[in-house]
Amino acid sequence: GESVGLHLPTLSVQEGDNSIINCAYSNSASDYFIWYKQESGKGPQFIIDIRSNMDKRQGQRVTVLLNKTVKHLSLQIAATQPGDSAVYFCAESPTGNQFYFGTGTSLTVIP
Amino acid sequence: GAGVSQSPRYKVAKRGQDVALRCDPISGHVSLFWYQQALGQGPEFLTYFQNEAQLDKSGLPSDRFFAERPEGSVSTLKIQRTQQEDSAVYLCASTGTGVSPLHFGNGTRLTVT
Repeated sequence: GESVGLHLPTLSVQEGDNSIINCAYSNSASDYFIWYKQESGKGPQFIIDIRSNMDKRQGQRVTVLLNKTVKHLSLQIAATQPGDSAVYFCAESPTGNQFYFGTGTSLTVIP
Repeated sequence: GAGVSQSPRYKVAKRGQDVALRCDPISGHVSLFWYQQALGQGPEFLTYFQNEAQLDKSGLPSDRFFAERPEGSVSTLKIQRTQQEDSAVYLCASTGTGVSPLHFGNGTRLTVT
């Protein structure tokens, strides 16, 4: 299978600070990437996606950066709030019909 | 609108029993996926349907696992003769046409005792 890994399994940030969650992917043919947020007892929730023809995409308080040269993806969350506490997964897709997930990073926001 | 719905939310089975897990995808979504998520891990692909056709079942861990989507809408994942290692959360996701993100249900937590 594909290998999608995260640099840090846990991350703690102060409320109001910015958070950066990193992800490495292994398949250079992957052309579609997604970040998901998963709260306890719930399924993964879509946050933001990016195609390989872009290197940056912004949403509401979130930004995804893609570096194809080093096969690295990051999620930046601005002004982190307690409600952002969750596990974050990156997923890559080489075909659009198959998605491979990393292990996840647990984000804890300290009030 | 309604999201992906999975039932039951929790299932406890004794080892050796058969279980059936149901998924109702978002209306009109062509593609449906099943994933298995162990505690503390990311979702692992099991199988994928496009309409009623099962196009990829390479992730099914053994022949005890079987999935169907006979009318191209609701899908059922069946596990025969459950084993303790089958304990996990089973997630269903659907997506529309083109390259688009998976929309997940809240999963079924299966515990095999």
